[in-house]
Amino acid sequence: NAGVTQTPKFRVLKTGQSMTLLCAQDMNHEYMYWYRQDPGMGLRLIHYSVGEGTTAKGEVPDGYNVSRLKKQNFLLGLESAAPSQTSVYFCASRRSGRTNYGYTFGSGTRLTVV
Amino acid sequence: GIQVEQSPPDLILQEGANSTLRCNFSDSVNNLQWFHQNPWGQLINLFYIPSGTKQNGRLSATTVATERYSLLYISSSQTTDSGVYFCAVHGSGNTGKLIFGQGTTLQVKP
Repeated sequence: NAGVTQTPKFRVLKTGQSMTLLCAQDMNHEYMYWYRQDPGMGLRLIHYSVGEGTTAKGEVPDGYNVSRLKKQNFLLGLESAAPSQTSVYFCASRRSGRTNYGYTFGSGTRLTVV
Repeated sequence: GIQVEQSPPDLILQEGANSTLRCNFSDSVNNLQWFHQNPWGQLINLFYIPSGTKQNGRLSATTVATERYSLLYISSSQTTDSGVYFCAVHGSGNTGKLIFGQGTTLQVKP
């Protein structure tokens, strides 16, 4: 089925460990985004990409890195996980151009840092 | 930056009741969207509505851009309407970045 796939769905990390979250979309969308969702705070933008090979910082980028080597994939890395990074992470994609193009979200990755 | 505030934060309804959710934003925007997050966490686009009124079945939305607010109406609520409703506006630039409100958690009881 077409859409956005996030891997893994759940993960528990120890403080200081590293990991990479993978987002893959098969809709040939130019724009991709990583958000985190915390209780009572809605979704906040971590990093985004407007095309292959480009990335930019969002609202809460500290502690995260991203890469977009292929158009269909957007990777989010945590180099040294901290308890404050316990959250649900969502990836989203959309076409470039008109602002009324819809967003497609992945099903989320629930990350716990202990 | 633009601030987005939603009210109420929580809402409990009996099945069949109607409700209105509100979204206020602090600056002029050229895009506003409503999303529903179901109890399993999946986020779904409901409306793209920078101004005016749209309807989709039992849901409708109205945005009054000059007064910087948007309303989401749910009529004859069903248990499947439960979840979190988010309002989001576009940030600066032409990159599609969204600024989300904190959400309204709706519980519809049978």
